[in-house]
Amino acid sequence: SYELTQPPSVSVSPGQTASITCSGDNLEDKFVCWYQQQPGQSPVLVIYQDSERPSGIPERFSGSNSGNTATLTISGTQAMDEADYYCQAWDSSTGVFGTGTKVTVL
Amino acid sequence: EVQLVQSGAEVKKPGESLRISCQGAGYNFTIHWISWVRQTPGKGLEWMGRIDPSDSYSNFSPSFQGHVTISTDKSISTAYLQWSGLKASDTAIYYCARQTLGGEYFDYWGQGTLITVSS
Repeated sequence: SYELTQPPSVSVSPGQTASITCSGDNLEDKFVCWYQQQPGQSPVLVIYQDSERPSGIPERFSGSNSGNTATLTISGTQAMDEADYYCQAWDSSTGVFGTGTKVTVL
Repeated sequence: EVQLVQSGAEVKKPGESLRISCQGAGYNFTIHWISWVRQTPGKGLEWMGRIDPSDSYSNFSPSFQGHVTISTDKSISTAYLQWSGLKASDTAIYYCARQTLGGEYFDYWGQGTLITVSS
């Protein structure tokens, strides 16, 4: 079955840039989206169709997808961005989530 | 306002049956697929399966095929996730999520339902 692999954790200082990768075979052939999950909360969509930002999501969130790797970038990271992040794609009508990355703002 | 409202937490014994619900509000329920997503304690998200409320067509992750069923009742804008024989390993939070029209992402999520299976 198709798998999406993320680093378990990423640490970033306030105001700096955090990059979270999501790796999968020929991932560039699929649309990737990203969800943010705060502790005890439901996931929230932050990027869809590789690089589109939903209404209400700050401009500091951006995404890209090339080759086998999609990337979520948080520019000027703020304390409120500390959360778990999951990538997600579809493979043959089956949804697949990445393994998840905990972003810590030190 | 679009909302997905899920049923409350449940505590069940192994082998028992269970059905949890997800009621949509604020939109045309029949035109958006609903997916169910599992999150085991302290772990990540797993896509379980989805249903098209317009015709009840469903498809599942191989990991969950045959272990759960998904259904809908269009008359009350509600989707269901059902087990016929729970296991301790089913202990988790279960989310329903709405799939956007023409897109491949989930734009609204329910608040989650905690299921605890313990003898």
